[in-house]
Amino acid sequence: QKEVEQDPGPLSVPEGAIVSLNCTYSNSAFQYFMWYRQYSRKGPELLMYTYSSGNKEDGRFTAQVDKSSKYISLFIRDSQPSDSATYLCAMSLNTGGFKTIFGAGTRLFVKA
Amino acid sequence: GAVVSQHPSWVICKSGTSVKIECRSLDFQATTMFWYRQFPKQSLMLMATSNEGSKATYEQGVEKDKFLINHASLTLSTLTVTSAHPEDSSFYICSARDGGNTIYFGEGSWLTVV
Repeated sequence: QKEVEQDPGPLSVPEGAIVSLNCTYSNSAFQYFMWYRQYSRKGPELLMYTYSSGNKEDGRFTAQVDKSSKYISLFIRDSQPSDSATYLCAMSLNTGGFKTIFGAGTRLFVKA
Repeated sequence: GAVVSQHPSWVICKSGTSVKIECRSLDFQATTMFWYRQFPKQSLMLMATSNEGSKATYEQGVEKDKFLINHASLTLSTLTVTSAHPEDSSFYICSARDGGNTIYFGEGSWLTVV
């Protein structure tokens, strides 16, 4: 079993839709949770970062963490074609040099 | 946000030669830097964790004599692919942790070995 599971998609939605991206994890010691967006042939860009259960909102993006279920989500409201990218969830321990484990990434296509 | 610069963005080298990739944190000091490898349509694979002034910690299956990592200062880490072969062709990405718990990525370096 992988430490972090993420459906690779692809996920295709119409413009304006609400997108839900999810990851599950097995290590209850993970303390920090992140979402990255990666455009083709580019390095990942940090979108959201949180370390507690609950919701964190930033513009059209909402990150949700449920530590009891070991489940995290990223919601994108009013999705735009420019949101088309691969979204990677990531989580870290606060030990061992802050090693970060990434999900496989979900490819998202937002159709105009 | 914080900026991590990676150089070169693209490099083509001949089989058997070595190539160096630099990773710099431009506006913060990075005590820890990470090197990843990514194949097309696949996720990031952590190769090694680099701490300033000490030897890098390599992930299982990563040849430390082939992928030399040097973290000589708080703003610079280098990855040298020695005796490169076509199978080493890949997208190499570095990341750096700031003084808190946030990790920022470089833009990545495309290596093609011919």
